[in-house]
Amino acid sequence: GAGVSQSPSNKVTEKGKDVELRCDPISGHTALYWYRQSLGQGLEFLIYFQGNSAPDKSGLPSDRFSAERTGGSVSTLTIQRTQQEDSAVYLCASSLRPTSGRAALGEQFFGPGTRLTVL
Amino acid sequence: TQLLEQSPQFLSIQEGENLTVYCNSSSVFSSLQWYRQEPGEGPVLLVTVVTGGEVKKLKRLTFQFGDARKDSSLHITAAQPGDTGLYLCAGAGGKLTFGQGTILTVHP
Repeated sequence: GAGVSQSPSNKVTEKGKDVELRCDPISGHTALYWYRQSLGQGLEFLIYFQGNSAPDKSGLPSDRFSAERTGGSVSTLTIQRTQQEDSAVYLCASSLRPTSGRAALGEQFFGPGTRLTVL
Repeated sequence: TQLLEQSPQFLSIQEGENLTVYCNSSSVFSSLQWYRQEPGEGPVLLVTVVTGGEVKKLKRLTFQFGDARKDSSLHITAAQPGDTGLYLCAGAGGKLTFGQGTILTVHP
């Protein structure tokens, strides 16, 4: 399909284990975002990639969280030594241009998310 | 830090009723977006408002951006069960800042 895809759709892990979540953005989209969403709640910004610029990591909750984007396309969010409070839906979004400033009104296209459960 | 507060957090109404969801901030945003999210899916953009005082209509949905570009509202006329979902506002001003969402349930 032409939309944003994420894998896995569900991940159950044990406390202390590392997990990797994958995002395939829409081809040609230069901006990629990761968010975390608790049940029925709003989106918590985690990290933002824009082209070749240094990523905006200001939303990462701790140094256990990291993300990379290879070749300006696929992105992986890694959570090390998972904790129960990490349980949430992790959403990825991409946009053709960044959503900032009056001139850049990029619509963010979201993937279906990865539901992470840490036991 | 720019914060967006949505109200109400939960809304449960009968089919045919009208409703309004509010999105407020002390910060000025260059634009504001409204998204709708259904269970198991990512949010989908409904509308983007850019100009202070702007009003946009999308069928039974009316969106308004405050004159000072600090607040917005979403009004739904004659709600239908298909309108059920999580409604999120998001302000653009650096990066997109999301409100905590309003869970709307429309009962047939």
